[in-house]
Amino acid sequence: DGGITQSPKYLFRKEGQNVTLSCEQNLNHDAMYWYRQDPGQGLRLIYYSQIVNDFQKGDIAEGYSVSREKKESFPLTVTSAQKNPTAFYLCASSIVPSWTSAGSYNEQFFGPGTRLTVL
Amino acid sequence: QKEVEQDPGPLSVPEGAIVSLNCTYSNSAFQYFMWYRQYSRKGPELLMYTYSSGNKEDGRFTAQVDKSSKYISLFIRDSQPSDSATYLCAMIRLNTGNQFYFGTGTSLTVIP
Repeated sequence: DGGITQSPKYLFRKEGQNVTLSCEQNLNHDAMYWYRQDPGQGLRLIYYSQIVNDFQKGDIAEGYSVSREKKESFPLTVTSAQKNPTAFYLCASSIVPSWTSAGSYNEQFFGPGTRLTVL
Repeated sequence: QKEVEQDPGPLSVPEGAIVSLNCTYSNSAFQYFMWYRQYSRKGPELLMYTYSSGNKEDGRFTAQVDKSSKYISLFIRDSQPSDSATYLCAMIRLNTGNQFYFGTGTSLTVIP
């Protein structure tokens, strides 16, 4: 079955620790994304990558880091510099869009999410 | 001002009711408009999408876009308890690398 997997489902972190959230997809998508979801704030983009070995900061990248060494994988590290990391983290992927013709659109497919709690 | 505004609810309706969910946006460059459904503790899944203004119907769901008012809606007819979820609107501007802009989500409960 094609899809996106995230692990772990629940993660607990002590203050001052770095933790890495896994995101893997077998959809052969070039683009991958990390979002953070907090109550009342919707989804906020942390980082995105449109091609292997390249990634861009989103709206709230401070305190996070990513890598994109393989097309299938886009791990997110929550560093100790992130002051309020408790949240639900969602990974997504899509085909890189082609905007050369009107009506082009590429859906983002989401993983099941990882709930991170700082103790 | 947020680029996309959505009333977070919560919204509670009896089974069989017609539900109206709405979002407003500030940037007229948005061209693609989506509705995602998210069940508790799960990732969002695409429900419907529309391009530019107009209506689109899929079973009990109708998506409506009014670009002149910068307003989008999702209507659910004959609502069912299984429709209980959070509904997120999302939109894309052209030439922004497929970057999505999400609303905060509206929590809906359909009471049997």
